[in-house]
Amino acid sequence: EPEVTQTPSHQVTQMGQEVILRCVPISNHLYFYWYRQILGQKVEFLVSFYNNEISEKSEIFDDQFSVERPDGSNFTLKIRSTKLEDSAMYFCASSTLAWSEQFFGPGTRLTVL
Amino acid sequence: AQSVTQLDSQVPVFEEAPVELRCNYSSSVSVYLFWYVQYPNQGLQLLLKYLSGSTLVKGINGFEAEFNKSQTSFHLRKPSVHISDTAEYFCAVSEGTGNQFYFGTGTSLTVIP
Repeated sequence: EPEVTQTPSHQVTQMGQEVILRCVPISNHLYFYWYRQILGQKVEFLVSFYNNEISEKSEIFDDQFSVERPDGSNFTLKIRSTKLEDSAMYFCASSTLAWSEQFFGPGTRLTVL
Repeated sequence: AQSVTQLDSQVPVFEEAPVELRCNYSSSVSVYLFWYVQYPNQGLQLLLKYLSGSTLVKGINGFEAEFNKSQTSFHLRKPSVHISDTAEYFCAVSEGTGNQFYFGTGTSLTVIP
């Protein structure tokens, strides 16, 4: 069964450093998403991506964040200068349609020291 | 923006007993509703979804949920729980006009032997 994969599973970084979180969505999906879950809190939407551009983003997704689909399979989230409060689990998801079920990856746990 | 409320943060229940996990959302003209389960150290797995049609939807692992438009609720039920159902359960809502999912804060279900 096809699934969304994410690498790395755990990333530790120093405050102010850049990180890139990687995702491989399900191959025939057209919509891609990033969510984050701060420990003990709910899953929060960051951004959605369709047709090589951002279709929707939340207020969390400020200028420090960017997304890219560098090739036909990968979907990346870059945080330019990490802050302590960026520590969270980051989930990638993909879907066939804009409103249909989203398939989630296992997540990347980002720890900013 | 949509608001999703899961009133019970923790639900302990004995094995083979029935369980109901509650979810309410803020009113909207049309919504699509989902329940996801998160097992420890894993990603989000879709349990079931309501897109249209019958208000009673059945999902995996014996779970079902009922969409109640007048009460803006989508409660999750299982008639007899197993130890393996111990997990975090998230209710999610998608509006027809957008593609981001709004998540509730989650309900931690603990099945007691």
